[in-house]
Amino acid sequence: DGGITQSPKYLFRKEGQNVTLSCEQNLNHDAMYWYRQDPGQGLRLIYYSQIVNDFQKGDIAEGYSVSREKKESFPLTVTSAQKNPTAFYLCASSRDRNQPQHFGDGTRLSIL
Amino acid sequence: QQQVKQSPQSLIVQKGGISIINCAYENTAFDYFPWYQQFPGKGPALLIAIRPDVSEKKEGRFTISFNKSAKQFSLHIMDSQPGDSATYFCAASMGTYKYIFGTGTRLKVLA
Repeated sequence: DGGITQSPKYLFRKEGQNVTLSCEQNLNHDAMYWYRQDPGQGLRLIYYSQIVNDFQKGDIAEGYSVSREKKESFPLTVTSAQKNPTAFYLCASSRDRNQPQHFGDGTRLSIL
Repeated sequence: QQQVKQSPQSLIVQKGGISIINCAYENTAFDYFPWYQQFPGKGPALLIAIRPDVSEKKEGRFTISFNKSAKQFSLHIMDSQPGDSATYFCAASMGTYKYIFGTGTRLKVLA
C-alpha cells in the first residue's frame, strides 16, 4: 500500500538536545511538507520541498532544519534553538503544487 | 488576506442530523479548497475538495458548497453518524505549494 510513514510515533527531547523526525513516502510524489499542529491553531507550515535537494522555509521555520537527499525521504530536525517544541508534527506529500496533500500519522514530541 | 476563518470551533449533532461547517476567505486568488478529517492521534485525511469553477461537489454523505461571490465555502455532512466524530479542517491554496488551513472544527455526533 502506498503511503507516508512517520517515525517514531512518540519522541521525548531533553533540554539542549537536537532530535530528528523521520518521514518516508512511497507515493512517488515530488513535493513533501512538514507541519506543526498545536491545539486550536490548525496546521502551520514549517518547511516544504518541491524536489530533491531543494527546500523552502514555511511560516515557522525558526529552530528547525530539513534535508531532502532522496525523493522518498524528508527528515525534520528540531534543534535546541526551538524553545517550544512540544507539538504534534505532521509530514505530507503531493504530486505537484496545488495538488492534494496526503498526510502521515504524525509524531508527538514532548519535552522531558 | 491569507487567513481562512473556520466556524464553529465545536459542533454537537444528533445521529442522523446534518452537520454544517463554514469557512470564509479574503484572497480571491485562492483556487483550490480541500477539506480534511482528522481522528485523534492520526494525520488528517483528505475528504473532498473543490475548485471555484463549480458551486457544489458531493461525495457520498459529504457535500462542499462554494459561494464565490461571498468568498465562503462549507462542508455538509448528511445523515451524520457517531463514526463521523472527528476534527474537520478546511484549507485554501492559490496554485502554489502552500495551503492555508482553518483552525478546525471538533464534531461530536451523539448516538
